Parts: sequence; C-alpha cells; structure tokens
Amino acid sequence: NAGVTQTPKFRVLKTGQSMTLLCAQDMNHEYMYWYRQDPGMGLRLIHYSVGEGTTAKGEVPDGYNVSRLKKQNFLLGLESAAPSQTSVYFCASKGQPTNTGELFFGEGSRLTVL
Amino acid sequence: GQQVMQIPQYQHVQEGEDFTTYCNSSTTLSNIQWYKQRPGGHPVFLIQLVKSGEVKKQKRLTFQFGEAKKNSSLHITATQTTDVGTYFCAGRVNAGNMLTFGGGTRLMVKP
Repeated sequence: NAGVTQTPKFRVLKTGQSMTLLCAQDMNHEYMYWYRQDPGMGLRLIHYSVGEGTTAKGEVPDGYNVSRLKKQNFLLGLESAAPSQTSVYFCASKGQPTNTGELFFGEGSRLTVL
Repeated sequence: GQQVMQIPQYQHVQEGEDFTTYCNSSTTLSNIQWYKQRPGGHPVFLIQLVKSGEVKKQKRLTFQFGEAKKNSSLHITATQTTDVGTYFCAGRVNAGNMLTFGGGTRLMVKP
C-alpha cells in the first residue's frame, strides 16, 4: 500500500516550457488536492477534485490546469512555466465526507523554473 | 477570502522547555486540523478539532479549539529533539472542500 505517490520528485524547467506532475493514490479516495509550498507561506491550494471527472479552483489556480480522468490519478499541468512557479508541490487525498477527515500527502515534487 | 494566521513563525527552544504555537482565523471555522512536517518531509496529520472549546491531548501535545471557533493552539510540554519540524494549522469553513493552511511555525530544539 503506497499511499500517495508523486512523480517526478525533482524537475528543472526553462521559462516557457510545459510539464505535468502526476499524483497517484491507491486508497480509493474520492478527494484529491494539489498544493504548493513556499517559504513562510504554508501550503496554498491550487486545484482540487471531489471525484473522477470533476475539478475545481483553489486559492492560487492561475497558470495551472488539472485533470482527473481516473479516480486514482490527479494531474497538475503547467502550460508555460514561469519563475514564480518555482516551488514544492504537494498532492494530497482524502477519503472521508466533505467537512472532515485528514489529508494524506505525497512526498512532494520540487520544481525549479529558470 | 479566508485567512489563517499562525504565530510565531520560528521558535528556538532548549530541549525540555515547553512550546506553543497559535493559530487565528479571520472567519469562524467548522473544524481545524494540525499537521507536522519534518525537515525535507511532507505534512503528516496530527489531529482534528471540531467542537467549540475542545481540548485534546496526545502524550506531550495538547490541542485547543477556541470557544468562538476562530482560534486554536498547540502546546508541547518538555520538548524533545524528535519534536523538530514545522507545525501547521489548517481550517475549514462550513462544509467546504477547501482547507486553508496557516503559514506554519518552525520549531527548532537545542539538545
């Protein structure tokens, strides 16, 4: 039982390049989230999904797109990377009803945009 | 939008001293969660508080949820080097799907 797995763990991009971060969970969770973590700013929600085929915007969605074609996978895409998107990205999942339940986090993906 | 503020940002303590981090929300919360992130690691769930005035304990950790459900605290008694890390509070408004995290308090413990 791997929990939440993120790939890749590290990536360096040049400004303007595109990439996709993959999050996979094997806990049959309905809810999945993408956060970014920057020093002193905690975790900020980018996008989330409440089930297969659904996505919604979080606090900082601009510059990112997501897709949830399969229940176990949540993809985060950067179409044209910018230096401001240099960050550590965490995926999380939750299995319990809407207003309760802990988040299970992946190990993070460190992205550097030059 | 909803804001969750956490203080202090950093705290150095001598091993054996107590430690407290405070969390304040601009809006009333339906529940609040606490997470711990070890250096280089990912956030790990510690606890969830739901009721007004609720107090929960986990060994040396004591968690409180304010009467107005707008603030919370985490107190660690007699810190150990294993307590090192960043502690985050995260609040949820109503029945929303979004969990808003505070900026975290980084705890450093001198042996």
